[in-house]
Amino acid sequence: DAGITQSPRHKVTETGTPVTLRCHQTENHRYMYWYRQDPGHGLRLIHYSYGVKDTDKGEVSDGYSVSRSKTEDFLLTLESATSSQTSVYFCAIRESGVLNEQFFGPGTRLTVL
Amino acid sequence: AQKITQTQPGMFVQEKEAVTLDCTYDTSDPSYGLFWYKQPSSGEMIFLIYQGSYDQQNATEGRYSLNFQKARKSANLVISASQLGDSAMYFCAMRENGLQGAQKLVFGQGTRLTINP
Repeated sequence: DAGITQSPRHKVTETGTPVTLRCHQTENHRYMYWYRQDPGHGLRLIHYSYGVKDTDKGEVSDGYSVSRSKTEDFLLTLESATSSQTSVYFCAIRESGVLNEQFFGPGTRLTVL
Repeated sequence: AQKITQTQPGMFVQEKEAVTLDCTYDTSDPSYGLFWYKQPSSGEMIFLIYQGSYDQQNATEGRYSLNFQKARKSANLVISASQLGDSAMYFCAMRENGLQGAQKLVFGQGTRLTINP
């Protein structure tokens, strides 16, 4: 257990509404990531963070923004949700140093109607 | 760009048999890492095993081993003595360098493994 929680775990919203997903970690990890999982695509990176206020885009960043104002929280925002953003969203962390693997949160299932 | 290919959408295996899940990769970076994750029906992503490109030996973790063939650019996961609880989706992933030491993961499409009693 890497101390990662995601909220909400499930959300249904309507097209055009803003949505914010939260990833919270308790172990002071430097690196945090947001991925989305869709059938036939595996997981794809949306954005990642390498420190407080330091973020960069991933493979599928269009339509998403992120913020990290403190070490423990990494927020993913859909400014105006679209049906194509219906997906399962995973947050992940990685420790700096020797350990290489990323540990994933439980996921958030988002449905945009 | 790095790419991961898993060519087996589904695999069916009898309990207690060994199973090999295929993964091929493409990269021009001489330093890379390969990961396998398991995703059971409950949805969580569970790290299984890691192989670095410069590791001299194939990685092993309990019943999991990685058949790493660098020249063929393949990193197949081998599960020995399969169990019913091994039924899950399995993802191969490759490490890609990001900013300031961040390591991004590029995933394959996954293989759904079903263990039959």
